[in-house]
Amino acid sequence: SQQGEEDPQALSIQEGENATMNCSYKTSINNLQWYRQNSGRGLVHLILIRSNEREKHSGRLRVTLDTSKKSSSLLITASRAADTASYFCATDPTGANNLFFGTGTRLTVIP
Amino acid sequence: SQTIHQWPATLVQPVGSPLSLECTVEGTSNPNLYWYRQAAGRGLQLLFYSVGIGQISSEVPQNLSASRPQDRQFILSSKKLLLSDSGFYLCAWSWRRRDEQYFGPGTRLTVT
Repeated sequence: SQQGEEDPQALSIQEGENATMNCSYKTSINNLQWYRQNSGRGLVHLILIRSNEREKHSGRLRVTLDTSKKSSSLLITASRAADTASYFCATDPTGANNLFFGTGTRLTVIP
Repeated sequence: SQTIHQWPATLVQPVGSPLSLECTVEGTSNPNLYWYRQAAGRGLQLLFYSVGIGQISSEVPQNLSASRPQDRQFILSSKKLLLSDSGFYLCAWSWRRRDEQYFGPGTRLTVT
């Protein structure tokens, strides 16, 4: 399978805590992307990290990529109730023509 | 800026009826366009993608078809819906195939 697999499937934390989600994949990639989906809505792109990058930041988001372990993590710091959503990783495998989305991590931030 | 529209937002159709979902993009030209289906609590399954007018590629064999009659219009169709066609359908666009994708609000289809 060329898609990523997120872990955990569901995560519940208190507001103000940090949330970490992981994505593992099996093939070599050109880039890996993280998306957010609020319930019943479309996906929103968060961060793209290329295979030659190890870490990227965007506001309260931090993404790491370890190509040797074929894994990525998304860290949301100082979480807010509005961060409640599902988070998906999408891989761009080498030699493929499209992105492959995982099944997502459902994050609940309790106020 | 670019915007993507999908309609209708929700649809309830009987088995065997036809389907037409429409997606349009504004503010860009020659986008790559995609149709995805998302089953409840699941990831996205790529159904079709298009790199230009009249150019459609199908990722999975199925009861659905897609067309791109204009540069920024992408249509998902079926002649006869099946129960298994129920799901959340998402249209997306990107500048190039490996770039980040921008999604529409989705269409919730229930086949009864």
